[in-house]
Amino acid sequence: EIVMTQSPATLSVSPGERATLSCRASQSLTFSAGSYLAWYQQKAGQAPRLLISGASARASGIPARFSGSGSGTEFTLTISSLQSEDVAVYYCQQYDAFPRTFGQGTKVEI
Amino acid sequence: QVQLQESGPGLVKPSQTLSLTCTVSGDSVSSDYDYWSWIRQAPGKGLEFIGHVYSRATIYYNPSLRSRLTISTDRTKNQFSLSLSSVTAADTAVYYCARGANLSPFNYWGQGALVTVSS
Repeated sequence: EIVMTQSPATLSVSPGERATLSCRASQSLTFSAGSYLAWYQQKAGQAPRLLISGASARASGIPARFSGSGSGTEFTLTISSLQSEDVAVYYCQQYDAFPRTFGQGTKVEI
Repeated sequence: QVQLQESGPGLVKPSQTLSLTCTVSGDSVSSDYDYWSWIRQAPGKGLEFIGHVYSRATIYYNPSLRSRLTISTDRTKNQFSLSLSSVTAADTAVYYCARGANLSPFNYWGQGALVTVSS
């Protein structure tokens, strides 16, 4: 199975500052109009919400301050200007192979 | 708008079977494209993919749970279900149903159902 590793575990960012989250896959993810890599946001007590698919494509309704990049085994989620409502745990997930696997999450706090 | 809703007992005794149902609206569990999936999250932990069913009866089980797992669909009720046998405290989690697809992420999720395994 593909192991997804996220860093850091916790990220403290001031409002308006940039947050950069990393995700590494144990093997290279297939690239076809974007790698098979997604990012999710999970706020306390809620289900995860899809933010990014294809490593860089924002899902419907996701603000432009969220952006994804990367390919192969290294991926990044960037929140360009952190808002209070962005406090959450963020997970990366590969959908290149089964079983689908998630990283352990990065908690973003103010 | 696709919506998913989990239902089932919130408390299960050790060694018994955990059973949950996901009711789907706005889409069909008979779809040849969508993967109707189960994902769980132990308290304070990350997300674990359990398995999925698609095209009515094609099923994938996570190898880590395969020996205890059954996923099925009920087309008449537009539902899909999860059964996990011989549960232990380690199976205590919030169980989510979600919609995915081949080479696609999980784009719709249920709100989650907390299942506690305890005597």
